[in-house]
Amino acid sequence: GEDVEQSLFLSVREGDSSVINCTYTDSSSTYLYWYKQEPGAGLQLLTYIFSNMDMKQDQRLTVLLNKKDKHLSLRIADTQTGDSAIYFCAESMGNYGQNFVFGPGTRLSVLP
Amino acid sequence: DGGITQSPKYLFRKEGQNVTLSCEQNLNHDAMYWYRQDPGQGLRLIYYSQIVNDFQKGDIAEGYSVSREKKESFPLTVTSAQKNPTAFYLCASRSGTEAFFGQGTRLTVV
Repeated sequence: GEDVEQSLFLSVREGDSSVINCTYTDSSSTYLYWYKQEPGAGLQLLTYIFSNMDMKQDQRLTVLLNKKDKHLSLRIADTQTGDSAIYFCAESMGNYGQNFVFGPGTRLSVLP
Repeated sequence: DGGITQSPKYLFRKEGQNVTLSCEQNLNHDAMYWYRQDPGQGLRLIYYSQIVNDFQKGDIAEGYSVSREKKESFPLTVTSAQKNPTAFYLCASRSGTEAFFGQGTRLTVV
């Protein structure tokens, strides 16, 4: 079956690195995504990784994919107060995305 | 600017009433989706449409209905059959690998 799991909460100090983890169960996932949701808003795509890659870096964001363990992580370097939000991991299978499956989201709190 | 727009941002419904949530996109995307978000849970798929005049039930379609008469529009009706409609509703459209989300509608039953 399809299931995506994340821890629900993470607190870090401003300037530290944040690492948000995600596990998924479907090995046929084509793409894996990280979305950010600020209070009362929609989801903003942060980054995504194709399943045949193991790492992707984009400025302060680093995505690591361990396909063997079905583990995805998002590292945010030099975390700022503006990074406080809920971060969703998601997997998508097939071209039409009808199997977009989201995790429950990790609420990141950045402490001054 | 291209984007996806949901309206209204806040909606209040009396028990027993039907309400319709609007979702419009000018991104020329074929695929559109409706999700429901409850606190502490991920997004759950209500309905999706891959093409005009066609739509499919998602995981929690009971008590909801949709239409897709135009490519740009994918309205969601929350019917009186939906017993627990209070939630945050998100519309999305998709092109290739990326899905773009609207800003959401918060529906509250009063």
